[in-house]
Amino acid sequence: DVILTQSPLSLPVALGQPASISCNSSQSLVYSDGISYLTWFQQRPGQSPRRLIYKVSQRDSGVPDRFSGSGSGTDFTLRISRVEADDVGVYHCMQGTHWPPITFGQGTRLDIK
Amino acid sequence: EVQLVESGGGVVQPGGSLRLSCTASGFSLDDFALHWVRQVPGKGLEWVSLLSGDGSLIFYADSVKGRFTISHDKSTSSLYLQMHSLRSDDTAVYYCVKDVRSGWYPPIFDVWGQGTMVTVSS
Repeated sequence: DVILTQSPLSLPVALGQPASISCNSSQSLVYSDGISYLTWFQQRPGQSPRRLIYKVSQRDSGVPDRFSGSGSGTDFTLRISRVEADDVGVYHCMQGTHWPPITFGQGTRLDIK
Repeated sequence: EVQLVESGGGVVQPGGSLRLSCTASGFSLDDFALHWVRQVPGKGLEWVSLLSGDGSLIFYADSVKGRFTISHDKSTSSLYLQMHSLRSDDTAVYYCVKDVRSGWYPPIFDVWGQGTMVTVSS
């Protein structure tokens, strides 16, 4: 099974400052079609996960452009250019390249410093 | 609007059974795979099972294989998860999740339900 390792696991950030979350895979996530099936979700307190980014860097409609995804192979990053209060929650990465099973990272908790 | 609404959670004794339901609206079950994903409160996400739109592809996590059964009823747009031989480590919020397509393709989740809590305790 593919293991996804997120870092840091806890991320205190001051309002207006940038934030970066890493997701490292135990295997390359490049599928036979050349696409890496790496997805990022945001889970606000008390809510279900919400998709932010899919296929490494495709941002969902309605997601602020402060959020961006990048990476290739085994190393991926979610960046928030300027953190707002609404960004508090847990961020999860997920891979669908090598399935089953579909696997997730441990989650990164972002809060305001 | 695409929506998923789970129900059926509750408290059950170890060794007991429970059936979760997920009612889908805004799309046809024929066209998209559906998944169950669970989350121990305060912990990470764990994929549980997948059922393709045409019912030909069914997969389970090793942790539930042989104990859980996924199924759907297209006439009621419902997805089910029948759970047997429940253990304390099955305690979690169970989410129904829609895929963006169906078939033998890498899964991409899009819409999640609100979840239903399952507690296995004596």
